[in-house]
Amino acid sequence: QVQLVESGGGVVQPGRSLRLSCAASGFTFSSYGMDWVRQAPGKGLEWVAVISYDGNKKYYADSVKGRFTISRDNSKNTLYLQMNNLRAEDTAVYFCAKEAAPFFAPRLNWFDSWGQGTLVTVSS
Amino acid sequence: QSVLTQPPSASGTPGQRVTISCFGSSSNIGSNTVNWYQQLAGTAPKLLISRSNQRPSGVPDRFSGSKSGTSASLAISGLQSEDEAAYYCAVWDDSLNGWVFGGGTKLTVL
Repeated sequence: QVQLVESGGGVVQPGRSLRLSCAASGFTFSSYGMDWVRQAPGKGLEWVAVISYDGNKKYYADSVKGRFTISRDNSKNTLYLQMNNLRAEDTAVYFCAKEAAPFFAPRLNWFDSWGQGTLVTVSS
Repeated sequence: QSVLTQPPSASGTPGQRVTISCFGSSSNIGSNTVNWYQQLAGTAPKLLISRSNQRPSGVPDRFSGSKSGTSASLAISGLQSEDEAAYYCAVWDDSLNGWVFGGGTKLTVL
């Protein structure tokens, strides 16, 4: 069965960097787009970034554009989120999510599997 | 301020039918299919409805989705206590080139 396991969260000071990882198993990782979605404490879901199955297409939410970078290593079945210049408002649980339809077709797609999330706290 | 508008709360008694609305625009709901996710307290979201009205296997048929123009709705019939959760609509936005979520609706079963 599909399994997504995030790691790399923790407490970090404003302006510093952090890299999140999402280890995937149970499906052909290299065939599916992957996303990061976050949830601030007590708040709703906010989409962060998407990467196509081959890594060639990447899109970001305006709130993180220029600071966060999504990437993947299909040989390691792992998704990454490099977060630079972190701000207090980036404090959230970060979930990785798998898109249901293979390749890259976001308009007709959906998230069929989610990880358990990893908490990032930005605080001095 | 979310791109998709949902009521922040909804409630019903066991056995009742409740609906949750999701309002968007021509660049998102008006152009693409809507998905609904259920998030129980302290857990990751779970897919409830895909492609506006498709239930994945394992989701009870008490849950149904619909879409018309730039709005969508989730209906839950025969409300049960275990339905108490937050519900989110989500859709790809062609103008933003990204996924957008509604602000979420917290459903309380009285």
